[in-house]
Amino acid sequence: EAGVAQSPRYKIIEKRQSVAFWCNPISGHATLYWYQQILGQGPKLLIQFQNNGVVDDSQLPKDRFSAERLKGVDSTLKIQPAKLEDSAVYLCASSFLRTSGKNKTQYFGPGTRLLVL
Amino acid sequence: AQTVTQSQPEMSVQEAETVTLSCTYDTSESNYYLFWYKQPPSRQMILVIRQEAYKQQNATENRFSVNFQKAAKSFSLKISDSQLGDTAMYFCAFRASYQGAQKLVFGQGTRLTINP
Repeated sequence: EAGVAQSPRYKIIEKRQSVAFWCNPISGHATLYWYQQILGQGPKLLIQFQNNGVVDDSQLPKDRFSAERLKGVDSTLKIQPAKLEDSAVYLCASSFLRTSGKNKTQYFGPGTRLLVL
Repeated sequence: AQTVTQSQPEMSVQEAETVTLSCTYDTSESNYYLFWYKQPPSRQMILVIRQEAYKQQNATENRFSVNFQKAAKSFSLKISDSQLGDTAMYFCAFRASYQGAQKLVFGQGTRLTINP
């Protein structure tokens, strides 16, 4: 079974530029998460999708971050404009829908490491 | 709000030794899930073990086992016969079980090094 795919793996940009990350979840997983992991810290949830609807975006800095999940499969996370403090690893995870009765474990992708100069 | 605390930033043991990583959490929920994830240098977060709070029996997965103390809100991970491949960051994570609550709340992590 293919895992969660993310691209790019690394990205270096200058502050005030924009950047976008892509995630393809495990087939059949209706729930998709984006986490931000700053160096030396545990991941923090930015946004959670259930199919193509947003369930939780309470910790997403909406003035500069946006995310979408068209057609309930792939997702894109965008930062515009980027700040120095956005340097982090952005992890995508997916799981079965909560009410499906299946394992709710979240499976993570390899992450995208962003460096803002 | 839930919080997860890992009080050991770094640990180091010799290969084949047993090591225990500590985790405490704070919640007012009665039903929830606890997880240990491993993050090697490749940065892929891998599930090590999972515990459901309503189960009294401690979870075990091969060389990995947990000591779940619900009253104390403690959830430690024991790695037996440690191997070089166990070198990684280990994160303890909490997830509530009520409807709609699926996000993981992570601790700060423990960097574990297994020395040959």
